[in-house]
Amino acid sequence: DTEVTQTPKHLVMGMTNKKSLKCEQHMGHRAMYWYKQKAKKPPELMFVYSYEKLSINESVPSRFSPECPNSSLLNLHLHALQPEDSALYLCASSQERGLNQPQHFGDGTRLSIL
Amino acid sequence: EDKVVQSPLSLVVHEGDTVTLNCSYEVTNFRSLLWYKQEKKAPTFLFMLTSSGIEKKSGRLSSILDKKELFSILNITATQTGDSAVYLCAVELYNTGFQKLVFGTGTRLLVSP
Repeated sequence: DTEVTQTPKHLVMGMTNKKSLKCEQHMGHRAMYWYKQKAKKPPELMFVYSYEKLSINESVPSRFSPECPNSSLLNLHLHALQPEDSALYLCASSQERGLNQPQHFGDGTRLSIL
Repeated sequence: EDKVVQSPLSLVVHEGDTVTLNCSYEVTNFRSLLWYKQEKKAPTFLFMLTSSGIEKKSGRLSSILDKKELFSILNITATQTGDSAVYLCAVELYNTGFQKLVFGTGTRLLVSP
């Protein structure tokens, strides 16, 4: 088990559905991240939140909408996804810069778009 | 463009062998280099390297960074089947308030009994 908890573990949705992925950490980390990982590829950064503010959006399509309600929670709202969006979505968190601490990853949500 | 390259892409060894995984990088604003192990789910943290020439060890695993030649190696001695995984190298870019990681493509290691 990891210290970053993601729900659900698996999600199957149609292209017209709206769903949300959730991520929670209680390590006091102030930076949280969403990554997308396709099969046999490394994780690709999507979004970074630092102190609950969006710091990076790596040109992600607007059908993915992140939200950081508080310092422990990170959501990813999904709407009108395409089959190519099927992937493992990983959440991670880290301390602030300067403390030489690594990112900690959750187990991910495996998303399938029909 | 920031780039992290790992080699080999995949590797099959017998239990008890020693393996060396390579990671080279070309990035602006290098801050640190990290190694992660990924089995089926979350990448799990192995090492974070910030200084050249200082070996970090954890059991049968060790890693070292060369900031002059821009590479790192991960060594695994006396491999076991439980070492089978994808090993990811990531370079942290300097930034404020958070870590921006650039990942390599990974090395897929299979340890056969």
